[in-house]
Amino acid sequence: DVVMTQSPLSLPVTLGQPASISCRSSQSLVYSDGNTYLNWFQQRPGQSPRRLIYKVSNRDSGVPDRFTGSGSGTDFTLKISRVEAEDVGVYYCMQHTQWPHTFGQGTKLEIK
Amino acid sequence: EVQLVESGGGLVQPGGSLRLSCAASGFTFNGFWMSWVRQAPGKGLEWVASIRQDGREKYYVDSVKGRFTISRDNARESLSLQMNSLRADDTAVYYCATRSGSDWGQGSLVTVSS
Repeated sequence: DVVMTQSPLSLPVTLGQPASISCRSSQSLVYSDGNTYLNWFQQRPGQSPRRLIYKVSNRDSGVPDRFTGSGSGTDFTLKISRVEAEDVGVYYCMQHTQWPHTFGQGTKLEIK
Repeated sequence: EVQLVESGGGLVQPGGSLRLSCAASGFTFNGFWMSWVRQAPGKGLEWVASIRQDGREKYYVDSVKGRFTISRDNARESLSLQMNSLRADDTAVYYCATRSGSDWGQGSLVTVSS
């Protein structure tokens, strides 16, 4: 199975400051079609997960442009340029290149 | 507007069975792989199972193989998860979602306890 390792697991951030979350996979996430199926999700307290980024760097509709996904192969990053209060929650990376699909442990973002 | 609405959760004794359903609307259901994802209380997300558009290809996480069965009815635009031989560690909120996670339901709580 592909193991997804996120860091940090806890991320206290001052409002208006940047934040960065790392996600590393135990195997390459490049599929035979050339795509890399690595997504990022946000789960606000008491809510269902919401996809922010798909295929490494594509922002979903309605996602603020302060969220940016990057990376390749086995090393990926989600960056928030300026954290806002509504960004509080848990962030997950997920790969759906290989079966079984797997999630990272989650990174809890809180306001300092 | 895409809607995924789960139902069928509840309290069940260890060893018992439960069937979850997910009603889909607002998108071309038969054009998408669909998945079940669960979240134990206070824990992270765990992918459980996925099913191809025509229902002929299915995948499961090892911990549920032989106990859970994913199925779909494209005519009714519905997704199901039959859960047998339930264990305490199956206790979780179960989400219906597209395989890529573009859309999620609100979740259905399954509690396995005596």
